[in-house]
Amino acid sequence: GQNIDQPTEMTATEGAIVQINCTYQTSGFNGLFWYQQHAGEAPTFLSYNVLDGLEEKGRFSSFLSRSKGYSYLLLKELQMKDSASYLCAVKDSNYQLIWGAGTKLIIKP
Amino acid sequence: GAVVSQHPSWVICKSGTSVKIECRSLDFQATTMFWYRQFPKQSLMLMATSNEGSKATYEQGVEKDKFLINHASLTLSTLTVTSAHPEDSSFYICSAPGTGATEAFFGQGTRLTVV
Repeated sequence: GQNIDQPTEMTATEGAIVQINCTYQTSGFNGLFWYQQHAGEAPTFLSYNVLDGLEEKGRFSSFLSRSKGYSYLLLKELQMKDSASYLCAVKDSNYQLIWGAGTKLIIKP
Repeated sequence: GAVVSQHPSWVICKSGTSVKIECRSLDFQATTMFWYRQFPKQSLMLMATSNEGSKATYEQGVEKDKFLINHASLTLSTLTVTSAHPEDSSFYICSAPGTGATEAFFGQGTRLTVV
């Protein structure tokens, strides 16, 4: 079966750095996405990785290793507004998005 | 970027009644629309895929007679929850798929509460 694993919850301090990991086992791979979702709202797109390596976009970076079936989202200079759930999703061989359960990130002052 | 407009954003209905949720693609034509359900503290669960001009494809365990999907035009897909029960209370979100590297485009979501 297809499976995406990420931690259920993480806590970090304002101004610090946090890394959210995601491991996946899917039938085929056509890219990995990270989304941010605030409670009661639709997910918003953060990043996309299809080749190995690091993609940097402002305070957020995303890394992919296809051979290890592994990705992480790195958030720097954490702000209180970064408190949200972070969803990892993989497009499989049918280009269907398979979603992880999400990681709830709690930012403390 | 592409915009998907979903209405209503929230609805409260009585048990046994039906509720229709609409998703419109505002500046592009969506031949496919994904419908998701999300219970509190859980991830998005794909319910069904609607395709313009043909029958929707339902995921295993989703009752097609209860969750009616219509995709009659390239800009409108609807989900009707029929004979709603309290256990149908959830967050429903539609999404138009992006191609290749493009991310999916989400509607704003609908919070359904059945009392």
